[in-house]
Amino acid sequence: IVLTQSPGTLSLSPGERATLSCTTSQTVSNTYLAWYQQKPGQPPRLLIYGASSRAPGIPDRFSGSGFGTDFSLTISRLEPEDCAVYYCQQYDDYDDSRWTFGQGTKVEIK
Amino acid sequence: EVQLVESGGDLVQPGGSLRLSCIVSGFPVRTNYMSWVRQFPGQGLEWVSVLYSGGRTFYADSVKGRFTISRDDSANTLYLQMNSLRAEDTAVYYCAKNNLPYFDQWGQGTLVTVSS
Repeated sequence: IVLTQSPGTLSLSPGERATLSCTTSQTVSNTYLAWYQQKPGQPPRLLIYGASSRAPGIPDRFSGSGFGTDFSLTISRLEPEDCAVYYCQQYDDYDDSRWTFGQGTKVEIK
Repeated sequence: EVQLVESGGDLVQPGGSLRLSCIVSGFPVRTNYMSWVRQFPGQGLEWVSVLYSGGRTFYADSVKGRFTISRDDSANTLYLQMNSLRAEDTAVYYCAKNNLPYFDQWGQGTLVTVSS
């Protein structure tokens, strides 16, 4: 399953709303769709699992939604520390190569 | 406190071998699913291998037959033996704890560079 993220880069001002898209080449169960945030020099951090559940400690300005082949991550009010690359990821239990990632969306804060 | 600490990354020639280690604290590796995930210089992430608690293993097609995942329960450590290394294996390698469909804990990574 191929995951395609858009846009490649998002440049917004603090306080604005960011919407990141992840389209899958085949239907993915909501249970198996996750989002990660990665800041420079750090490993990815789990933000959202099960398409819409926030991981522990994640602020409520982050939300996930979608189903089937179209998923999105929304940051309701951007803060400077949200500057990062965001990846979606899916799990396919019918495929031996089970986990795949999108190519990432870079969020820049103006 | 949960910690995953990778080591073993190095500069190695094509065709060479390397063994990565991931020392885990805060939870037992033997009762969890553990993976290696790599990140290429251009930032793309690729899952490499998983070791299930029952011992079953899976590999990405790109490393199948060359890489072997294993663990030492007494040392609470995960390993990745990498043989027949290629330039395209150059990446930062992370160990990560699976919560089956996703990865909820990550190490800081170790850099593997394959070059002559």
